[in-house]
Amino acid sequence: GNSVTQMEGPVTLSEEAFLTINCTYTATGYPSLFWYVQYPGEGLQLLLKATKADDKGSNKGFEATYRKETTSFHLEKGSVQVSDSAVYFCALKGSGNTGKLIFGQGTTLQVKP
Amino acid sequence: DGGITQSPKYLFRKEGQNVTLSCEQNLNHDAMYWYRQDPGQGLRLIYYSQIVNDFQKGDIAEGYSVSREKKESFPLTVTSAQKNPTAFYLCASSDYRDRGQHYGYTFGSGTRLTVV
Repeated sequence: GNSVTQMEGPVTLSEEAFLTINCTYTATGYPSLFWYVQYPGEGLQLLLKATKADDKGSNKGFEATYRKETTSFHLEKGSVQVSDSAVYFCALKGSGNTGKLIFGQGTTLQVKP
Repeated sequence: DGGITQSPKYLFRKEGQNVTLSCEQNLNHDAMYWYRQDPGQGLRLIYYSQIVNDFQKGDIAEGYSVSREKKESFPLTVTSAQKNPTAFYLCASSDYRDRGQHYGYTFGSGTRLTVV
């Protein structure tokens, strides 16, 4: 079945450091891929998405490229801020018409001043 | 503005008591979902509904019940049979008819349930 694997956290960085959070997936067909962010005490917000191979999703300085050859969708940001501290979830939506998202376990990012 | 409203934000339950968490959406989405999140954990699917008057169990449905009498509403009842209900509960919705699969979920802001 479909699954998503994220790197374990927490990831602790200093402000202005480069961020990578790894995400790999297993799926049949051509899934859509998503990154969600959850700030403390809140629900999840869609950060970015990519719907086909080689697509690059981007938002708020974050980027992720849909790599079908490596089944990956790693999240990157060139210079993190303290306000980026949150939990990040990678997710996929399969090509079947079930509508359900499959989430990874989440990766906590802590950015220190 | 369209969105999902969860209420209350905080809820306290006594031992042996049933409580109901509200989830309302005005996005005209067909599908709605309930997730449970424990500290430092990912999301676990409790129940989901793809159409009015129909719903399916997720991965951890025991001790929970739902109804879907209206498209806009998908309340979750945490029953006394749920032995460890303290958690953060998230409701979400999506356009089930999205055959292009381009859209993810829209989430509510969550309800934090605590057993006292």
